[in-house]
Amino acid sequence: DQQVKQNSPSLSVQEGRISILNCDYTNSMFDYFLWYKKYPAEGPTFLISISSIKDKNEDGRFTVFLNKSAKHLSLHIVPSQPGDSAVYFCAASARGATNKLIFGTGTLLAVQP
Amino acid sequence: KAGVTQTPRYLIKTRGQQVTLSCSPISGHRSVSWYQQTPGQGLQFLFEYFSETQRNKGNFPGRFSGRQFSNSRSEMNVSTLELGDSALYLCASSASTSGGSYEQYFGPGTRLTVT
Repeated sequence: DQQVKQNSPSLSVQEGRISILNCDYTNSMFDYFLWYKKYPAEGPTFLISISSIKDKNEDGRFTVFLNKSAKHLSLHIVPSQPGDSAVYFCAASARGATNKLIFGTGTLLAVQP
Repeated sequence: KAGVTQTPRYLIKTRGQQVTLSCSPISGHRSVSWYQQTPGQGLQFLFEYFSETQRNKGNFPGRFSGRQFSNSRSEMNVSTLELGDSALYLCASSASTSGGSYEQYFGPGTRLTVT
């Protein structure tokens, strides 16, 4: 039972344009959501998070949007840079198990120069 | 501040053996979680330790165990290794205490190969 889903295995965008990565979840108990970036054979790098009491959080080029009614979140990267090319994972945790992250399957982002 | 460190980085073991992996969290972080990444199952939560106690547990067999020491360093052990245990094992630390949500910071991982 995949509680966190990233339906796009890959995404290709041009440098300078916007990258939009999507994530859906099924568990209504999730109340904290995170995005991580990962290179092969390395640990995930934390990018940005959002609590369920908010619908938007911004940090530099990264913005995360949360739509609780649709159980959907998205990560916007503007402007995209070649160094952003990596696998992006969304993750979620539930109240009472805040460090038990449930990860999506990841989206490979390729930013073309 | 130094990041999360994991040792060893690479390990090759034979089926039936056991293995112990080590993790040192970011200074001041008391929560340590372990994850397994495989091509087939993705990133899966193993367990979390806080103040030397297991606080959360994932859906893995009892062959997978862990512990945490008073300095917050953690070890995980896998006994009777199977071929399917070949994976990248990741440790993450968090400033989380008894409540609230905090981001987790990951180490570089230990690549375990079982032959």
